[in-house]
Amino acid sequence: IVLTQSPGALSLSPGERVTLSCRASQTISSNYLAWYQQKRGQAPRLLIYGVSTRATGVPDRFSGSGSGTDFSLTISRLEPEDFAVYFCQNYGSSPITFGQGTQLEI
Amino acid sequence: QVQLQESGPGLVKPSETLSLTCTVSGDSIRSTSHYWGWIRQPPGKGLEWIASIYHSGTTYYNPSLADRVTLSVDPSENQFSLTLDSVTATDTAVYYCARQTWTFSNIFGVTVEWFDPWGHGTLVTVSS
Repeated sequence: IVLTQSPGALSLSPGERVTLSCRASQTISSNYLAWYQQKRGQAPRLLIYGVSTRATGVPDRFSGSGSGTDFSLTISRLEPEDFAVYFCQNYGSSPITFGQGTQLEI
Repeated sequence: QVQLQESGPGLVKPSETLSLTCTVSGDSIRSTSHYWGWIRQPPGKGLEWIASIYHSGTTYYNPSLADRVTLSVDPSENQFSLTLDSVTATDTAVYYCARQTWTFSNIFGVTVEWFDPWGHGTLVTVSS
């Protein structure tokens, strides 16, 4: 399954709301989709799994939604520490695949 | 707190074998709840899943790399390892190890799922 994320990059300001898109080339079974945040020089950090379940310690300003082939990650109110690259991951069919990422810039 | 740490050479010559080890602390590699995976990221690019292994040795590979990749697990050292044969410059990447959840269903069998946590990653450069 090929995951296409859009936009590739966008510039926003703290306090704004943003929705990132992840579109799959085929239906992802059982909502097996996760989201990660990666800051420069760091490993990815799990944010969301099962489309909409926040990982432990993830602030509630992060939310995931979608089904089938269209998924999204919303950050309700951007904090300075949220400016990073975001990846989606399919684990509903093998091989596991990742989107190419969306870079959030201040 | 679960932590993973990758180790191994940072430079490998073309056509040789890349070998990395991941040491796990704060959890047992014999955990029945987790697989252990490898993911790589070429400089400035996206993420590519390589393979995942269970403590019993059951392994799932990305077909794109399966003919060159071998995973192994050493429960006595709480480590798991990756070897990648016949490397080329396109194998230059940051290599991450990570813990992975899994589920089983009668319909789909084993499904390896999301990765959490990840190691810090180690850059491996393939160059002569």
